[in-house]
Amino acid sequence: ELKVEQNPLFLSMQEGKNYTIYCNYSTTSDRLYWYRQDPGKSLESLFVLLSNGAVKQEGRLMASLDTKARLSTLHITAAVHDLSATYFCAVVRDDKIIFGKGTRLHILP
Amino acid sequence: EAQVTQNPRYLITVTGKKLTVTCSQNMNHEYMSWYRQDPGLGLRQIYYSMNVEVTDKGDVPEGYKVSRKEKRNFPLILESPSPNQTSLYFCASSLWGRETQYFGPGTRLLVL
Repeated sequence: ELKVEQNPLFLSMQEGKNYTIYCNYSTTSDRLYWYRQDPGKSLESLFVLLSNGAVKQEGRLMASLDTKARLSTLHITAAVHDLSATYFCAVVRDDKIIFGKGTRLHILP
Repeated sequence: EAQVTQNPRYLITVTGKKLTVTCSQNMNHEYMSWYRQDPGLGLRQIYYSMNVEVTDKGDVPEGYKVSRKEKRNFPLILESPSPNQTSLYFCASSLWGRETQYFGPGTRLLVL
């Protein structure tokens, strides 16, 4: 059974600081997704990571994938308040998509 | 505008009264999926469809039905809703199963 675990589930941090969200998954998957959800809103896609060693960056967010360790990270650099949201990772296996429980990120001004 | 639409956005109903939540996409996507989101549980896949007339169970299919008679539409049917189906429901689509998904705005369902 494919399981996806995110850590931490809740994170409160100061503006300007760096931090990392971790996403572990239990069996092989050929791609990993990161999504963002603002309160009361739908989900929007951030990144799709396709292969081992893949790294993608958009603004202050950088995602990476280590398929051997079954680990993806979402790194936040010099956080700003408008990055406050819930971040989900998800993996696909046999056309099923499994989401982690999400990391609720609160950035204090 | 490329989008996934869901209707209704909010629904209050009573136990046992059949309901349908519609989902439509205008991007000619092959893959469509339904999720429910509950506090502390993240999103859980209910059903997905790889193409017309092809549907399959996700992680939590019990109590739900779907159909895919046309490529653009993927309705979610609750034949006999129960209070434990109170949740926020999202429909999503993607070009094919492994591409990034586009999510609808969500349907908040309360079953009394």
